[in-house]
Amino acid sequence: AQTVTQSQPEMSVQEAETVTLSCTYDTSESDYYLFWYKQPPSRQMILVIRQEAYKQQNATENRFSVNFQKAAKSFSLKISDSQLGDAAMYFCAYRSYNAGNMLTFGGGTRLMVKP
Amino acid sequence: DSGVTQTPKHLITATGQRVTLRCSPRSGDLSVYWYQQSLDQGLQFLIQYYNGEERAKGNILERFSAQQFPDLHSELNLSSLELGDSALYFCASSLSGGELFFGEGSRLTVL
Repeated sequence: AQTVTQSQPEMSVQEAETVTLSCTYDTSESDYYLFWYKQPPSRQMILVIRQEAYKQQNATENRFSVNFQKAAKSFSLKISDSQLGDAAMYFCAYRSYNAGNMLTFGGGTRLMVKP
Repeated sequence: DSGVTQTPKHLITATGQRVTLRCSPRSGDLSVYWYQQSLDQGLQFLIQYYNGEERAKGNILERFSAQQFPDLHSELNLSSLELGDSALYFCASSLSGGELFFGEGSRLTVL
């Protein structure tokens, strides 16, 4: 079974600065997807960014980008120009290519943004 | 708005009781997933349905059951409730091969 680990329970960043959230995963599969979800105080799960394992290029969505290291099984999220609205829980998630879309989540990282 | 609708949003009940949580997936999505999120923890996969059939099962307790109806909405039934069942229950839906879209969750409090 796949496991996803987020080793940083909490992170803090100054507004307008850059922060990187870490995620590692364990799998024996070669094809899979990785995601970062944001959960603000409203508790809604919001997809931030996705990465297909077969793609070497790191995904980017505006101020959000990932550093995907397949050999190291690492998938970190970089948030640039942090904004107060970025404060939330962030979850890393893994989905097997063939497992019917079931997501396996990490334990989450709480990001605080200081004004 | 993800297009996934969950009801009720909040539910307070007593130990030993039974509740039903309802989920309407996005239009056209055939798969429905149920996840449980206990306080300040990650989401734990419970069960998945695809077009009315059970597709995958996670760490779902025997006291819990689910089904997906012909109109594709799904219900999660929780019985003999215990204090530890208090959590946020999420429903998500997807089209085959696509990303998951989550509802706003149903917050269950067992007293």
